[in-house]
Amino acid sequence: SAVISQKPSRDICQRGTSLTIQCQVDSQVTMMFWYRQQPGQSLTLIATANQGSEATYESGFVIDKFPISRPNLTFSTLTVSNMSPEDSSIYLCSVAARGREGGYTFGSGTRLTVV
Amino acid sequence: GQQLNQSPQSMFIQEGEDVSMNCTSSSIFNTWLWYKQDPGEGPVLLIALYKAGELTSNGRLTAQFGITRKDSFLNISASIPSDVGIYFCAGNSNSGYALNFGKGTSLLVTP
Repeated sequence: SAVISQKPSRDICQRGTSLTIQCQVDSQVTMMFWYRQQPGQSLTLIATANQGSEATYESGFVIDKFPISRPNLTFSTLTVSNMSPEDSSIYLCSVAARGREGGYTFGSGTRLTVV
Repeated sequence: GQQLNQSPQSMFIQEGEDVSMNCTSSSIFNTWLWYKQDPGEGPVLLIALYKAGELTSNGRLTAQFGITRKDSFLNISASIPSDVGIYFCAGNSNSGYALNFGKGTSLLVTP
């Protein structure tokens, strides 16, 4: 299955600033997914990122707040803009593994605290 | 995305006991997956199911894709302390597309 390197692993940020999270995959993948996991909660899909096109955002998430880049088939970034304490969460990227045995692989997550 | 109904929300058991948790959806799924998440880590895939009725084991873990394609269960036999964590079911109706997740089952195992 694919291996994802996600960074930073954690950060503490001042409100009003922005943080860019990076995900690097060791193989080419068509779609990458970005999720948010609020404290003690399940994973919620933010957007799906395809290479060469604009990301598709889920209800409740907008591009101005969570801009996404997907410059090639192995890399994507998610920016959390103009942060507030409510943005404190774990952010995870994910890809669908090649072949039916692999399921979906997740990065190790970015634990963001906004103060 | 669709929210899956996962139960129980939490379990507190003794080492050696068996555990069972399940997930239901309101629509038909083509994929059911079970993940475990440890604190500070991303979810790690335990078992993947792709066919209705499929029963798959991974060591002490066994999971089944329900016949109706709207449910799945995960069993853990002879639990050990390192089984502690949060277990999530996930699935979708279109392979390769984003997953829908259950709310998780928090498992605590006492020695």
